[in-house]
Amino acid sequence: DIQMTQSPSSVSASVGDRVTITCRASQGISSWLAWYQQKPGKAPKLLIYAASSLQSGVPSRFSGSRSGTDFTLTITSLQPEDFATYYCQQANSFPLTFGGGTKVEIK
Amino acid sequence: EVQLVQSGAEVKKPGESLKISCKGSGYSFTSYWIGWVRQMPGKGLEWMGIIYPGDSNTRYSPSFQGQVTISADKSISTAYLQWSSLKASDTAMYYCVRLPAGYNWFDPWGQGTLVTVSS
Repeated sequence: DIQMTQSPSSVSASVGDRVTITCRASQGISSWLAWYQQKPGKAPKLLIYAASSLQSGVPSRFSGSRSGTDFTLTITSLQPEDFATYYCQQANSFPLTFGGGTKVEIK
Repeated sequence: EVQLVQSGAEVKKPGESLKISCKGSGYSFTSYWIGWVRQMPGKGLEWMGIIYPGDSNTRYSPSFQGQVTISADKSISTAYLQWSSLKASDTAMYYCVRLPAGYNWFDPWGQGTLVTVSS
């Protein structure tokens, strides 16, 4: 199975800050990676697919990038509605696996 | 609009059976894989398995193979997740998800079904 190691597990940030979340795959997954946002009591929502493609309707302050087996989700200028938990997911091979999540909290 | 609407919350006793559902609308139900994702209380996301309603082809995570059964009734555009004998450790939120054609990420997600197993 491909392990997805996500870091940090939590981050405290202020409105307007730039936040970076990293996900490392245990083996090559090309660009087959997705990012999701989950708010408390709600279902997750797809933000980014294929490592860097923005899902329709997602604000442009969200972006994704890849360097080898390292993937990054960046939120520029954090907004109040962005405080949530973020998960990465490898979509390269079965079984499909998620990172452990990163909780973005208000500083 | 593509939508997945799940059945309501369930409270069951250990050893009981259960089948929860996920109804798709707004798209050709038989043409897209549907999957299930578990989220235990306060924990992360775990992929359980997927089904292609067009031919009922299924794939399971090894962690869930033999523990649950995924099925679909294409005549009513509904997918199911079922247990034959629930355990307390099955207490979780279960989400159904659609996979875009040819890809293995999840969009959209159903609203979730909370399953509580307690004696």
